[in-house]
Amino acid sequence: NAGVTQTPKFRILKIGQSMTLQCAQDMNHNYMYWYRQDPGMGLKLIYYSVGAGITDKGEVPNGYNVSRSTTEDFPLRLELAAPSQTSVYFCASSKSGRGEKLFFGSGTQLSVL
Amino acid sequence: KNEVEQSPQNLTAQEGEFITINCSYSVGISALHWLQQHPGGGIVSLFMLSSGKKKHGRLIATINIQEKHSSLHITASHPRDSAVYICAVRMDSNYQLIWGAGTKLIIKP
Repeated sequence: NAGVTQTPKFRILKIGQSMTLQCAQDMNHNYMYWYRQDPGMGLKLIYYSVGAGITDKGEVPNGYNVSRSTTEDFPLRLELAAPSQTSVYFCASSKSGRGEKLFFGSGTQLSVL
Repeated sequence: KNEVEQSPQNLTAQEGEFITINCSYSVGISALHWLQQHPGGGIVSLFMLSSGKKKHGRLIATINIQEKHSSLHITASHPRDSAVYICAVRMDSNYQLIWGAGTKLIIKP
């Protein structure tokens, strides 16, 4: 098992550019999450999914979009990147939404200049 | 006021010391997670608690639901324990997590 695979590890974007952060898990987990981590702050939930075809907004969804066409993949799309989106992004998954251990990807450090 | 508060924010100790990191929360929860984030950035789940105490190697996690408080203890600390330790609570009402800001632990040899 590879666990949760997240790409790329680093990316620099110019203001207004778009990109997709990829996330895939091979554990047959139903729940997948995208978080951002700003320096000195707790993780903030951007979007989550409880299964293929089902997604919902978290605390900080503005400027992002997601899709979940398969159980394995949960890409995060940044449209019209802004400096405020400079952050470290983590994808995570769990078997179910309650009382289950979380598994994290290695993170993507994104800078928008 | 944050719903999840961790203390201390930073902790530096000598190798071998007994370490305690605290997490207090103000909401009703169904579970509490302790996670470790290494300097390279990767996040690993250590414990998930809904009551009592759990132990794994030199790590011990306890939770007091009535007092809305949890502690993570490290016995015989080692420089490889240096990391950020994060507390997160899963609310009663939904399956989203509320995250603490983390405690940065440095263990000196």
